Amino acid sequence: AQKITQTQPGMFVQEKEAVTLDCTYDTSDPSYGLFWYKQPSSGEMIFLIYQGSYDQQNATEGRYSLNFQKARKSANLVISASQLGDSAMYFCAMRPNFGNEKLTFGTGTRLTIIP
Amino acid sequence: EAQVTQNPRYLITVTGKKLTVTCSQNMNHEYMSWYRQDPGLGLRQIYYSMNVEVTDKGDVPEGYKVSRKEKRNFPLILESPSPNQTSLYFCASSPRQGGGQPQHFGDGTRLSIL
Repeated sequence: AQKITQTQPGMFVQEKEAVTLDCTYDTSDPSYGLFWYKQPSSGEMIFLIYQGSYDQQNATEGRYSLNFQKARKSANLVISASQLGDSAMYFCAMRPNFGNEKLTFGTGTRLTIIP
Repeated sequence: EAQVTQNPRYLITVTGKKLTVTCSQNMNHEYMSWYRQDPGLGLRQIYYSMNVEVTDKGDVPEGYKVSRKEKRNFPLILESPSPNQTSLYFCASSPRQGGGQPQHFGDGTRLSIL
């Protein structure tokens, strides 16, 4: 079974500051992927970034980077230079690369950017 | 444009009245899945399908049915809806064994069962 833990229910960050959203995971699958999704107040799920379990380098996508520490089973999302439009719910998720490729989600972190 | 389309976006109905939420994708993805989102619980998988005519239960399948007669469509059926099925529902799709390919989500369907 897989489990994702997001320990920050809510965060408030000043505009233009960097923010780190925490995510730890547990799995017995040898090969898996880690994902971050953003859910704005309008409700849709927006894919942000992906990290493969065998990737040697941390993933980056524009202002988003994923701090992947496999030994600690953590996959924290870092948003640099935060903007007002970053205010949303953020979900960490993982998926095995075989079998039922379902996404297992954490409970999410609500990020609010303060002007 | 690559997309997953769900209908309806919003529905208020009454206990016991059968309803179907449609889901269609235009990316030729083999894998499709339904999730429900409830406050404090994240998203949980209801049913999934790895290809046409292949479906299986997820974590919370009770009270739901699905079918996959065509690759692009994966409807979610509530035969006798109950108030505990009030939730936000998402359909998603991805290639099989897609590695870094993310699951693409529809815009969600907000169901209220009175």
